[in-house]
Amino acid sequence: DTAVSQTPKYLVTQMGNDKSIKCEQNLGHDTMYWYKQDSKKFLKIMFSYNNKELIINETVPNRFSPKSPDKAHLNLHINSLELGDSAVYFCASSQDPVYNEQFFGPGTRLTVL
Amino acid sequence: DQQVKQNSPSLSVQEGRISILNCDYTNSMFDYFLWYKKYPAEGPTFLISISSIKDKNEDGRFTVFLNKSAKHLSLHIVPSQPGDSAVYFCAASEYNNNDMRFGAGTRLTVKP
Repeated sequence: DTAVSQTPKYLVTQMGNDKSIKCEQNLGHDTMYWYKQDSKKFLKIMFSYNNKELIINETVPNRFSPKSPDKAHLNLHINSLELGDSAVYFCASSQDPVYNEQFFGPGTRLTVL
Repeated sequence: DQQVKQNSPSLSVQEGRISILNCDYTNSMFDYFLWYKKYPAEGPTFLISISSIKDKNEDGRFTVFLNKSAKHLSLHIVPSQPGDSAVYFCAASEYNNNDMRFGAGTRLTVKP
């Protein structure tokens, strides 16, 4: 009974392709996030969505776009993939925007060749 | 600009002993701090948190200490168990701000 799920778990693709990573949470949380874990293992926030509104947008390339069809889903679309996009991407959600204990998905390892 | 730093990439302790993981931060506006635990091929899981109005929070074998003047927090695990072997991330955020900053993590190995 997974709380935050992501698909796919692994994604291998060629440079220049467009890909999507899906995220779903069944916790009834209001806020969802996307993080990128880079090669140095730093977890950096990319986006967060609260009630379908983007409330954080770090300085990520506009090739990355979050799409939230409903409160339970926040998908990550990436256009024109580059080698540097290779990383592990984590989705997360939280109920309380003030003191937010975030629940993370298992991660999607993206490899761009 | 790493506002949350975990300077020890790894730590090894014997089963039954205390594990102490350290974390430093630079942003004095941070007022809520969390520790996450991460096993390989899984997402981080929330472990314990502390707000800036406290200097200690305890949950079973896990205790987090906060020293605001030093901008330092630590996670104590006692007694350490082999199942505690994982990567531990320190995180911090400001009040009413979803932008949580993570440290680079410390890999804890508990030897039987």
